[in-house]
Amino acid sequence: AQSVAQPEDQVNVAEGNPLTVKCTYSVSGNPYLFWYVQYPNRGLQFLLKYITGDNLVKGSYGFEAEFNKSQTSFHLKKPSALVSDSALYFCAVRPKISGNTPLVFGKGTRLSVIA
Amino acid sequence: GAVVSQHPSRVICKSGTSVKIECRSLDFQATTMFWYRQFPKQSLMLMATSNEGSKATYEQGVEKDKFLINHASLTLSTLTVTSAHPEDSSFYICSARAGGPGETQYFGPGTRLLVL
Repeated sequence: AQSVAQPEDQVNVAEGNPLTVKCTYSVSGNPYLFWYVQYPNRGLQFLLKYITGDNLVKGSYGFEAEFNKSQTSFHLKKPSALVSDSALYFCAVRPKISGNTPLVFGKGTRLSVIA
Repeated sequence: GAVVSQHPSRVICKSGTSVKIECRSLDFQATTMFWYRQFPKQSLMLMATSNEGSKATYEQGVEKDKFLINHASLTLSTLTVTSAHPEDSSFYICSARAGGPGETQYFGPGTRLLVL
């Protein structure tokens, strides 16, 4: 079965400091990997995705994520956090198979950036 | 990125009535649309997947007669909650994707349903 683990329910970081939101996955074969952000009472906004190629993926709002195949991880990072980055972050995976395979989401990590 | 809209953003209805939620992909053709439900402080729960012109595929435990999904065109899908009850109160989010599994899935802003 496919699964995504976001081991931290909450991450607190001071403004200006680097942030990391962790994600590990269990999927047969090589997956497509995604990060989304959700602000209160809003849908999910796409941040970035890994399909193939360079393991370091750069996305929106200065976020990046690194695909690590051996550790089956896809941690989200940002060099300098902003208060406006405070939100709920979801990691998601989808197996590389054809058809309507849905995204499998992690439970989410709430990021709080403190001024 | 691509835009997905949902209407209404918020709806309050009486128990026993039906509510329709529309989901539109505004600047791309969505071969596949997804409907999710999100409870407070929880992740998204996939309800069903639909392709244009085909019957939706519902996830286990989701009543297809209660949550009617219609994907009439490549830009429009609707979710109708029939005979709504208070336990159906939730945040419903639609999502759309053009093309295959590697394509990005874009999400609507969500619809807050409150059944009194």
